[in-house]
Amino acid sequence: AQSVTQLGSHVSVSEGALVLLRCNYSSSVPPYLFWYVQYPNQGLQLLLKYTTGATLVKGINGFEAEFKKSETSFHLTKPSAHMSDAAEYFCAVTPRDGYNKLIFGAGTRLAVHP
Amino acid sequence: GAGVSQSPRYKVAKRGQDVALRCDPISGHVSLFWYQQALGQGPEFLTYFQNEAQLDKSGLPSDRFFAERPEGSVSTLKIQRTQQEDSAVYLCASSLERTSGTFSETQYFGPGTRLLVL
Repeated sequence: AQSVTQLGSHVSVSEGALVLLRCNYSSSVPPYLFWYVQYPNQGLQLLLKYTTGATLVKGINGFEAEFKKSETSFHLTKPSAHMSDAAEYFCAVTPRDGYNKLIFGAGTRLAVHP
Repeated sequence: GAGVSQSPRYKVAKRGQDVALRCDPISGHVSLFWYQQALGQGPEFLTYFQNEAQLDKSGLPSDRFFAERPEGSVSTLKIQRTQQEDSAVYLCASSLERTSGTFSETQYFGPGTRLLVL
């Protein structure tokens, strides 16, 4: 069965610092990969996704992620954190066949301090 | 255009009560999903509809949980005889139908219904 592991339930960075949120998946066949962001009392918003093609994917709000098949990873990065980036981030996968049921990691709460 | 909407946004129920949670997907979206998000956890899949057909209900935690989408649009998640462990945020998402061989369609999420069972 597929699973998603997000290392670090809480990450704290300074404003302007690099943001790195880690995600590893477990699957015999590389799935489709997603990062969602959740602000307090709001639903999930898609940041970016990898389906095929270029392994470096750019998303909204300056975020990007790189799919590394050899490492079964899909880490999320942003060169310079803003205060508004403080939120919960979820990595998710869905199998390439069948319908697109999402399997989520436990989430990483990002705090940005001045 | 309008996104996915859910109602109510908050629901407090006494243990043993029945509750009904509503989801209005984006117009024209064929696929509809329900997820349960416990406090401090990632969302977990409950059930999936393609139009009015419930194709997967493997994530429903017990037979107290029931979902329907009778006309292929609005969906209702019903929980009978609520228990404290049912307290969670219930998220609904919709997407266009996925065509075999193409990339996975994005799921658009509603704001969720926060259920608290006392």
